[in-house]
Amino acid sequence: GAVVSQHPSRVICKSGTSVKIECRSLDFQATTMFWYRQFPKQSLMLMATSNEGSKATYEQGVEKDKFLINHASLTLSTLTVTSAHPEDSSFYICSAELAGAGDTQYFGPGTRLTVL
Amino acid sequence: AQSVSQHNHHVILSEAASLELGCNYSYGGTVNLFWYVQYPGQHLQLLLKYFSGDPLVKGIKGFEAEFIKSKFSFNLRKPSVQWSDTAEYFCAVNARGAAGNKLTFGGGTRVLVKP
Repeated sequence: GAVVSQHPSRVICKSGTSVKIECRSLDFQATTMFWYRQFPKQSLMLMATSNEGSKATYEQGVEKDKFLINHASLTLSTLTVTSAHPEDSSFYICSAELAGAGDTQYFGPGTRLTVL
Repeated sequence: AQSVSQHNHHVILSEAASLELGCNYSYGGTVNLFWYVQYPGQHLQLLLKYFSGDPLVKGIKGFEAEFIKSKFSFNLRKPSVQWSDTAEYFCAVNARGAAGNKLTFGGGTRVLVKP
């Protein structure tokens, strides 16, 4: 149980385009999902907290207009990187919080974004 | 703000050796503590967690961790490692009551187990 999927697993795009990444909780409902960014050989950095039915909460230094988050249902959150640039290339990971399990987060497999 | 530090960035050891990874956090309140593992090419998986009760927590794959409140530590241990334990290990802390239940991760420790 507690499986989280992400799609796509890998995406290459041209500079200036927008990319949407989906995060789904497959076997449980998640009112809260999280989006992280992981640079090579570094730890995960929280970008934003995604709450179902309300606006996301962004961490300091994360541009909310650049990283659009939508949490339309209890099993789906999306991250859209708008007008992507090479410096946005990174590994984006989502997690979903399993309610009633002590706020344990379960992580998706990540999405490797490469912006040319 | 809470912070998490993992003392070792890289650990190399042989099979059957014992492993201990240090994790210290800074936060004055009550915390939930986690260890996650990331095997090569795979996503983060939960190894174990501590919320309350017995400070010695047993997780999957023979791992355990001990919460020492006075030392703000949550060290991970395994008595005898296997080659398959080669992975990166992350300690994470969730300050209870903090808005959004955010996890703060340590920098990670890369463990290489030589056959």
